[in-house]
Amino acid sequence: DQQVKQNSPSLSVQEGRISILNCDYTNSMFDYFLWYKKYPAEGPTFLISISSIKDKNEDGRFTVFLNKSAKHLSLHIVPSQPGDSAVYFCAASPINFGNEKLTFGTGTRLTIIP
Amino acid sequence: DAGITQSPRHKVTETGTPVTLRCHQTENHRYMYWYRQDPGHGLRLIHYSYGVKDTDKGEVSDGYSVSRSKTEDFLLTLESATSSQTSVYFCAIRPTGVYEQYFGPGTRLTVT
Repeated sequence: DQQVKQNSPSLSVQEGRISILNCDYTNSMFDYFLWYKKYPAEGPTFLISISSIKDKNEDGRFTVFLNKSAKHLSLHIVPSQPGDSAVYFCAASPINFGNEKLTFGTGTRLTIIP
Repeated sequence: DAGITQSPRHKVTETGTPVTLRCHQTENHRYMYWYRQDPGHGLRLIHYSYGVKDTDKGEVSDGYSVSRSKTEDFLLTLESATSSQTSVYFCAIRPTGVYEQYFGPGTRLTVT
């Protein structure tokens, strides 16, 4: 049972345009959401996160939107740059400080076309 | 840089042999995690640790064991490697008080 879903395995976007990556979740206990970026042969790196008390969080070119009623989050990258080409994973966690575990989606491969 | 190293970085082994992967951190974080990454599955949690000698299972723990005798080291052991355990293995740490986990560079394991 995939509790965090990224339904688009790949996405291609022209350089300078907006990239929108989507993620859906099914577990209503999830209250904190994160995006990771992964280059080949490297470990995932943390990108941006959002708590369920917010509907938007922005960090430079990256903005994450959360629609809790739809159990949907998205990552917007504006403007897209060639260095953004990577695999992006969304992850979710319940807010329960203790032994928090992240549940990851299957990833979306983003390719920025120069 | 979260000060995480993994060894070895690459390993090829035969079915039925035991294999131990090591994760080492330099910042004394309490929480450490082992994941495997496979195409179509994303990152799946194998085992995690919340302190020295304190470990628990993740969603794909069958065939794996872990040990943490020192804060800085978290070992993942495949008792008898199988071809289905061919994967890329990532270790992660989580600083206390935050949700973000920080990952090591990974170990590519091939079981022939």
